[in-house]
Amino acid sequence: QQQVKQSPQSLIVQKGGISIINCAYENTAFDYFPWYQQFPGKGPALLIAIRPDVSEKKEGRFTISFNKSAKQFSLHIMDSQPGDSATYFCAAPLWNAGNMLTFGGGTRLMVKP
Amino acid sequence: NAGVMQNPRHLVRRRGQEARLRCSPMKGHSHVYWYRQLPEEGLKFMVYLQKENIIDESGMPKERFSAEFPKEGPSILRIQQVVRGDSAAYFCASSPRGLAGASTGELFFGEGSRLTVL
Repeated sequence: QQQVKQSPQSLIVQKGGISIINCAYENTAFDYFPWYQQFPGKGPALLIAIRPDVSEKKEGRFTISFNKSAKQFSLHIMDSQPGDSATYFCAAPLWNAGNMLTFGGGTRLMVKP
Repeated sequence: NAGVMQNPRHLVRRRGQEARLRCSPMKGHSHVYWYRQLPEEGLKFMVYLQKENIIDESGMPKERFSAEFPKEGPSILRIQQVVRGDSAAYFCASSPRGLAGASTGELFFGEGSRLTVL
């Protein structure tokens, strides 16, 4: 069964540091790769997404880097803040599951003051 | 503009009872997805519905689980004869169109229904 593999499972970063989360996928049905952010007790919400016609997309402190040949994409959080502490999920519309998004296992990020 | 509304937010059931979880999608959204999240785990797809139709139920257990999205009213995820392993957060998401027509893969999630089976 095709999967979306995410690493690391958990991450602790000092305030002001860079948080990096990686994701690897198999064949996709459609061309978009989103990252979702989930705070405790809440539902996930779209944070940023990229289409593979570009290798990088930046929105504020959040950047997605995309490597189509390697089938990998990553989320970089610059100048990490305690308010960024949350669980982050990458997702992809896999080829054999085109009706839904398949999510990675999640990364629990803690940003220490 | 209300978001995706799920209720109940918390539900406690004893083994063997039935659980009914309701989801009202965002206004104008006709596509509904149900996901399950076990503690400390990711989101697992269960079922995708449009009004009056189940489009994809490949992630739904074959027994005890069913889902519907009637012409009028919310989508309902029904779990019969619950067992302890059903304890999880169940999230509903909606979108205005199917993923084939999407540009970002954005699903709008509710805050979830947390089921505890005693």
